Amino acid sequence: KQEVTQIPAALSVPEGENLVLNCSFTDSAIYNLQWFRQDPGKGLTSLLLIQSSQREQTSGRLNASLDKSSGRSTLYIAASQPGDSATYLCAVTFGNKLVFGAGTILRVKS
Amino acid sequence: DTGVSQNPRHKITKRGQNVTFRCDPISEHNRLYWYRQTLGQGPEFLTYFQNEAQLEKSRLLSDRFSAERPKGSFSTLEIQRTEQGDSAMYLCASSRFEGNADTQYFGPGTRLTVL
Repeated sequence: KQEVTQIPAALSVPEGENLVLNCSFTDSAIYNLQWFRQDPGKGLTSLLLIQSSQREQTSGRLNASLDKSSGRSTLYIAASQPGDSATYLCAVTFGNKLVFGAGTILRVKS
Repeated sequence: DTGVSQNPRHKITKRGQNVTFRCDPISEHNRLYWYRQTLGQGPEFLTYFQNEAQLEKSRLLSDRFSAERPKGSFSTLEIQRTEQGDSAMYLCASSRFEGNADTQYFGPGTRLTVL
């Protein structure tokens, strides 16, 4: 059974800080890993997708890495802004479905 | 491409009533997924369709739940005899699967509250 864990559960930082969110998964037989953003009461927005053969992906101030052998991924957010405040979810494609972590609630204070 | 849409966005019902949700996927997407998300948790997989065929169901999908995708386009999720434990956000996603892993695009969700 695939389990995804995200650490920390919540994070509060001042504006401008660089930060790292962590994700780990128990079964390395994944097709890919995605990071999503979810605003309160809303659906999910895909931020980055890393194929199992890749090591990292970048989009603007976001950089995600994947170490499939150790079952770990990190999401790095540079120069955080109040608009980055949201819940960040990590998910792996395992079989024909996404398996999600519980998320990290991020608050960026102005 | 207008994205995945879900209706209604919110549903409040009394325990024991039946409810039905609808999901309209991105056109030309052959796969459609349903997930359930409770407060403070990530979404959990319920079921998925490839075209009109329902190919996998989670053990979370009790016999009170039924999903259909009759023409391989929109899908409905029905919950019969609702219970308070059914209160959650129900998310739909669609993708274009072409023999390898796909990217799922999510709708805004339907929030169900069972009183």
